[in-house]
Amino acid sequence: QVQLQQWGAGLLKPSETLSLTCAVHGGSFSGHYWSWIRQPPGKGLEWIGEISHGGSTSYNPSLESRVTISLDTSKSQFSLNLTSVTAADTAVYFCARRRMTMLRGVITFPFHPWGQGTLVTVAS
Amino acid sequence: DIQMTQSPSSLSASVGDRVTITCRASQTINNFLNWYQQKPEKAPNLLIYAASSLENGVPSRFSGSGSGTDFTLTISSLQPEDFATYYCQQGYSTPLTFGQGTKVEIK
Repeated sequence: QVQLQQWGAGLLKPSETLSLTCAVHGGSFSGHYWSWIRQPPGKGLEWIGEISHGGSTSYNPSLESRVTISLDTSKSQFSLNLTSVTAADTAVYFCARRRMTMLRGVITFPFHPWGQGTLVTVAS
Repeated sequence: DIQMTQSPSSLSASVGDRVTITCRASQTINNFLNWYQQKPEKAPNLLIYAASSLENGVPSRFSGSGSGTDFTLTISSLQPEDFATYYCQQGYSTPLTFGQGTKVEIK
């Protein structure tokens, strides 16, 4: 049973860098994608980006200039850095695995499981 | 970007009711559509993947259907623990996108 445990600073000032890490317990990195998703208070879900087990990244164009996602397979961890934060970046940040799932010859990648979430508040 | 539109945004229902939530994609996504349930202060939880496949451990009262651009999540008999917000998500292309959510409340 794969579990994700995440941590990082919860209070930032404008222009600082958000850094979060997610540890993967009980599973392999191979074949899956490792994602970050955020949810502003009272709002919906926004995909930030992801990294493959091989280290290839894909980012949401709306955040691409400020985002870096990295992987440390030796520690079974992946991380998110978001630079130059503003109040608009205040949100609960989730890590999640996009699980490789084969169904009737087609590969699909639903988000499962998710980390517990980290509230990051940006305020001066 | 593929826009995902859910309807309704909220609904009130009673225990035992049949509940249907719809999700429409702005372009075809084949069956790369997933459904999640989110309770307050918790992470979303996968219910249905590939439009109609029930995730392990999810009660059989949940079902999904659809293909192309139009999809449906059905709860056949609403239980007290089902009051939550439900999100659809397309996995057809990046950026991956979610619907705005449907909040299911107690009538």
